[in-house]
Amino acid sequence: RKEVEQDPGPFNVPEGATVAFNCTYSNSASQSFFWYRQDCRKEPKLLMSVYSSGNEDGRFTAQLNRASQYISLLIRDSKLSDSATYLCVVALLSASKIIFGSGTRLSIRP
Amino acid sequence: NAGVTQTPKFQVLKTGQSMTLQCAQDMNHNSMYWYRQDPGMGLRLIYYSASEGTTDKGEVPNGYNVSRLNKREFSLRLESAAPSQTSVYFCASSETQAATNEKLFFGSGTQLSVL
Repeated sequence: RKEVEQDPGPFNVPEGATVAFNCTYSNSASQSFFWYRQDCRKEPKLLMSVYSSGNEDGRFTAQLNRASQYISLLIRDSKLSDSATYLCVVALLSASKIIFGSGTRLSIRP
Repeated sequence: NAGVTQTPKFQVLKTGQSMTLQCAQDMNHNSMYWYRQDPGMGLRLIYYSASEGTTDKGEVPNGYNVSRLNKREFSLRLESAAPSQTSVYFCASSETQAATNEKLFFGSGTQLSVL
């Protein structure tokens, strides 16, 4: 079983729609969580950290469910520019270990 | 601001050839990393350097060597390239070691093909 698992997609949704995807992690000792965005053939860039109480940044909302060991990303009012691959990242502070998921591909159509 | 700069952007090697990927950052970061990214897999850590003068193996170090030349530069060397090393390589840096609770800054990547 992978330490961090994501649905690879692609998620294909119309502009303006709301889309959500999850990421599950296997190590209950995981302590920090992030979403990175990666455009085609580009480097990953930090989209947002995920806090225990959930957090929002504009149209993006991230949630953490420690009991079920997953994090989620919700994108409201999706834009064409949101088309990208979204990488779930989990960190184990005690082991100084960062684990990347393989990504969920999102495509927004006009 | 340049951030993290990697060279080359593309490289084709024959099996058995050697090459060095160069990486430099201008953000005065202490920690630097080399990752590889393959289709269907997440980024996997090859080697990292928590601070100048130190290097440590990551998840997939076999077939690679690294050098932390100074605080700015961290190079990755393939001594004898193999087709299994065909991948996209990313260099990254962060302000402090471990980067487990802070942002990673990535270079633009190197697409390497080994024939």
